[in-house]
Amino acid sequence: NAGVTQTPKFQVLKTGQSMTLQCAQDMNHNSMYWYRQDPGMGLRLIYYSASEGTTDKGEVPNGYNVSRLNKREFSLRLESAAPSQTSVYFCASVLQGAYQETQYFGPGTRLLVL
Amino acid sequence: DQQVKQNSPSLSVQEGRISILNCDYTNSMFDYFLWYKKYPAEGPTFLISISSIKDKNEDGRFTVFLNKSAKHLSLHIVPSQPGDSAVYFCAASAAGYKYIFGTGTRLKVLA
Repeated sequence: NAGVTQTPKFQVLKTGQSMTLQCAQDMNHNSMYWYRQDPGMGLRLIYYSASEGTTDKGEVPNGYNVSRLNKREFSLRLESAAPSQTSVYFCASVLQGAYQETQYFGPGTRLLVL
Repeated sequence: DQQVKQNSPSLSVQEGRISILNCDYTNSMFDYFLWYKKYPAEGPTFLISISSIKDKNEDGRFTVFLNKSAKHLSLHIVPSQPGDSAVYFCAASAAGYKYIFGTGTRLKVLA
């Protein structure tokens, strides 16, 4: 039982390059989220998926796209990377309770855009 | 506008003493609050939560206090241990909305 896995752990891109960050969970959760964390800021929600096949924008969606092809996997794509997208990206798998949710985070992907 | 604020970026405490981490919020609609702990090169892990219908929640060495009138919550760790050294994030949500995270407080417990 791996929980939430993310690949790659670290990536360097040049401005304009594209890449996809992968996230997978084995907890059978319906909801999955993507966050970014920048120095001096909290985690900010990029996109989320409440269930397989559905996605919605979060607080900072510009410059990103997502795909939720199946229940396990939720990928984040940068079509044309910019230095402002240098950040640490966290994926979370979410257990929805009756009144609240519990988020289980992956180890993160550290992205540097030159 | 930062709706959830952790005004102390860092805190150092002696082993065995109490650690108090603070969090302030501005949105009176927030009704559920979480604390997460994060070690370097790892994702955040859930620590403890509190609903707005309570003013205190305990789990072992960790206690969260909520003061709704002051829009303030705090996390108490007693006694503090070196393994508690990490970054602590508070997060808040209103029903039907996603969590807003604070900027984090780095706790260092000195042996």
